[in-house]
Amino acid sequence: EVQLVESGGGLIQPGGSLRLSCAASGFIVSSNYMSWVRQAPGRGLEWVSIIYPGGSTFYADSVKGRFIISRDKSNNTLYLQMNSLRAEDTAVYYCARSNSWFDSWGQGTLVTVSS
Amino acid sequence: EIVMTQSPATLSVSPGERATLSCRASQSVGSDLAWYQQKPGQAPRLLIYGASARATGVPARFSGSGSGTEFTLTISSLQSEDFAVYYCQQYTDWPPYTFGQGTKLEIK
Repeated sequence: EVQLVESGGGLIQPGGSLRLSCAASGFIVSSNYMSWVRQAPGRGLEWVSIIYPGGSTFYADSVKGRFIISRDKSNNTLYLQMNSLRAEDTAVYYCARSNSWFDSWGQGTLVTVSS
Repeated sequence: EIVMTQSPATLSVSPGERATLSCRASQSVGSDLAWYQQKPGQAPRLLIYGASARATGVPARFSGSGSGTEFTLTISSLQSEDFAVYYCQQYTDWPPYTFGQGTKLEIK
């Protein structure tokens, strides 16, 4: 069974950094396209970043230069390093397997950027 | 970037009736269109991909149609568990993947 479990969210001050983790089971992270998608409170879904099986990475313009997506083969985990956080980054962050469509999602982790 | 527009923003339908949700793309996406269902406090769930293929475990009352720029999600006979927010997403031109703003399906 495919399962994704995010962790690492919390309350952080503007300008701070946070690293989100997404532990996967039932499939190999490094063999799949993996994304982060976020949802601000009461808002819709916004794609944030993707990492290809070959290691290429891409980002939404809103986070480019501040966020870094990565993965660890040894523990089958996806990461999102978030730097220079802003109030508008406040959202639930989901990891998702994204081989074109998003067929599996984690439960999400809430990031709140506030002083 | 392809912009996805969903209508209506809110749809009020009685249980047992049919619901029709629309999604429009700013340029052709062929059949590269997915639909998701999201209930409060939950992650989105894949319903439809390839514009019309049901994901594993999705009831037959959910159907998708359309191609190019106009798409429809139809729920043939609404059950209580179907009241949720529905999103469309294109994957023909990515990154970025883009989602519609959502349609809230509420009980009439």
